[in-house]
Amino acid sequence: GQQLNQSPQSMFIQEGEDVSMNCTSSSIFNTWLWYKQDPGEGPVLLIALYKAGELTSNGRLTAQFGITRKDSFLNISASIPSDVGIYFCAGQSEGNTPLVFGKGTRLSVIA
Amino acid sequence: GAGVSQTPSNKVTEKGKYVELRCDPISGHTALYWYRQSLGQGPEFLIYFQGTGAADDSGLPNDRFFAVRPEGSVSTLKIQRTERGDSAVYLCASSPIAGTTGELFFGEGSRLTVL
Repeated sequence: GQQLNQSPQSMFIQEGEDVSMNCTSSSIFNTWLWYKQDPGEGPVLLIALYKAGELTSNGRLTAQFGITRKDSFLNISASIPSDVGIYFCAGQSEGNTPLVFGKGTRLSVIA
Repeated sequence: GAGVSQTPSNKVTEKGKYVELRCDPISGHTALYWYRQSLGQGPEFLIYFQGTGAADDSGLPNDRFFAVRPEGSVSTLKIQRTERGDSAVYLCASSPIAGTTGELFFGEGSRLTVL
């Protein structure tokens, strides 16, 4: 089936640093989404992208939908301790098909 | 409540037993999804409902797994003859409209441990 490759698997950064993570696929997706999951919680939607080339921001978060439709990245600027968690990319190939999730990037922020 | 509610939050059972996991979606959401998340992995799709009917059950791993949504609201995921490999967090999500935007609202999950 479809698979999303997320990198890096984990990262340790200092508070205040910027963060970048990405997601790639061998197949095309029409929608890309980024979710964050805290321990013991379900994933929460951060940003949704619907058009190739789209660049969308949500506070300190910025995400882009790759031109090829096979990749997306998420940037977090000026990281803070509450940014700690697991970030998942998810893609949808067409309407009414279920979301496919990556394996996640685990972010740790050192104060 | 305002969000997706899942019960039980934790379930420990013995191999071979039958288990039911319940999901109460956000009021008014017509689409309901079940995902399974193993340790260190992302959520993996199991089944989704549009209203009362299962629109896509292609993710169910085998015939021990079954889900229902008889009145188009609450859903129950049923696992027969549980195996140790079934241990995972089972996540339920709902969406106002099936598939069109991909934006899902997740519950906190039911952690299943099969001994």
